[in-house]
Amino acid sequence: AQRVTQPEKLLSVFKGAPVELKCNYSYSGSPELFWYVQYSRQRLQLLLRHISRESIKGFTADLNKGETSFHLKKPFAQEEDSAMYYCALSGFSGNQFYFGTGTSLTVIP
Amino acid sequence: ETGVTQSPTHLIKTRGQQVTLRCSSQSGHNTVSWYQQALGQGPQFIFQYYREEENGRGNFPPRFSGLQFPNYSSELNVNALELDDSALYLCASSYDRDQPQHFGDGTRLSIL
Repeated sequence: AQRVTQPEKLLSVFKGAPVELKCNYSYSGSPELFWYVQYSRQRLQLLLRHISRESIKGFTADLNKGETSFHLKKPFAQEEDSAMYYCALSGFSGNQFYFGTGTSLTVIP
Repeated sequence: ETGVTQSPTHLIKTRGQQVTLRCSSQSGHNTVSWYQQALGQGPQFIFQYYREEENGRGNFPPRFSGLQFPNYSSELNVNALELDDSALYLCASSYDRDQPQHFGDGTRLSIL
């Protein structure tokens, strides 16, 4: 079955500390992986997608097909990174989407 | 914030009723997807429309149906409402099926 798992519902880190939000997936095929973010009182928005291989707001994510993971990382957390983060997966044809349950990140000043 | 707009913002219905939720996509976005987000959960994919045809569907019963119109607007219709249908319903549109999705603020549906 297709599934996206985010094992941490809540994550707190101190400002300046490294942060890693975990995401594991199960999919029979070649998926496309995404991270979406929702800041307080804002709508859900795309943070990054694995095919772009870019760093957005200092965040990176590497697709590890062997471990079926797509963890989101940032070396130095900032207070403005506090938000809800969702890992998501789509099929190659882009007509099926699966979201994880989300991780609420709090960066402590 | 402009872009994808959804209406109404909130809606209260009773069991057994029918509801229509509306979404206005950005001009040029030929793909729209609908999601159901229960409290404390991630969005669950309901279905996707591409150029006015259903293009993909999640694990939702047929009483969830949709329409997409040439003017970049779309609808989500739910018949025979059940208590478990209480959720935030999100609309997301994109220029094409493989392009990033832009989400609306959602419609909060409560079933009494």
